[in-house]
Amino acid sequence: DSGVTQTPKHLITATGQRVTLRCSPRSGDLSVYWYQQSLDQGLQFLIQYYNGEERAKGNILERFSAQQFPDLHSELNLSSLELGDSALYFCASSVGDRGQPQHFGDGTRLSIL
Amino acid sequence: AQSVAQPEDQVNVAEGNPLTVKCTYSVSGNPYLFWYVQYPNRGLQFLLKYITGDNLVKGSYGFEAEFNKSQTSFHLKKPSALVSDSALYFCAVRDRWGTDSWGKFQFGAGTQVVVTP
Repeated sequence: DSGVTQTPKHLITATGQRVTLRCSPRSGDLSVYWYQQSLDQGLQFLIQYYNGEERAKGNILERFSAQQFPDLHSELNLSSLELGDSALYFCASSVGDRGQPQHFGDGTRLSIL
Repeated sequence: AQSVAQPEDQVNVAEGNPLTVKCTYSVSGNPYLFWYVQYPNRGLQFLLKYITGDNLVKGSYGFEAEFNKSQTSFHLKKPSALVSDSALYFCAVRDRWGTDSWGKFQFGAGTQVVVTP
């Protein structure tokens, strides 16, 4: 058990809809990272927050947004969903904001119908 | 541009034989390098990292990796593979400039390791 909790585990929705994925980091970790994993694009880094502030940005679409709250949990919002957004979305956390090991949750599987 | 390459989609090895998973990278600054492993339907698990210092890094579960700056490689190795090592392995890099500038994390495409009894 990594200590990182992601909810929900599975999400099925339709094109054009909006969803929110939630992540609770491991106790004591200040950084949260979001990743998208799909068969065609592999594992893509989306964004990192550290103690509530955006720290690094990857291949995150404009339709996607994220935030980290004062209690350090994070949410990833996906809007105007398209079929290609179907993927496994991982959250990870680490103590610091640089080279520390990341601890991954088990992911949220998003299916767009 | 920053990139990570894992040239082999799959590596097959017999149990007890040495295991090597290759990774090469391209960054503009000084990288942090990582190896992670993923089991089916699970998130990634950290194996080891290189930041600075000794080029041979020892990690979890008997794995080690060798950093080679001239060849820009960071190959993962295990002297004697186990069937339970069968999984998907990812190399990752984070570029770094100076002390306060950080790039995004970049993961390789992954290498499926199959260890046969």
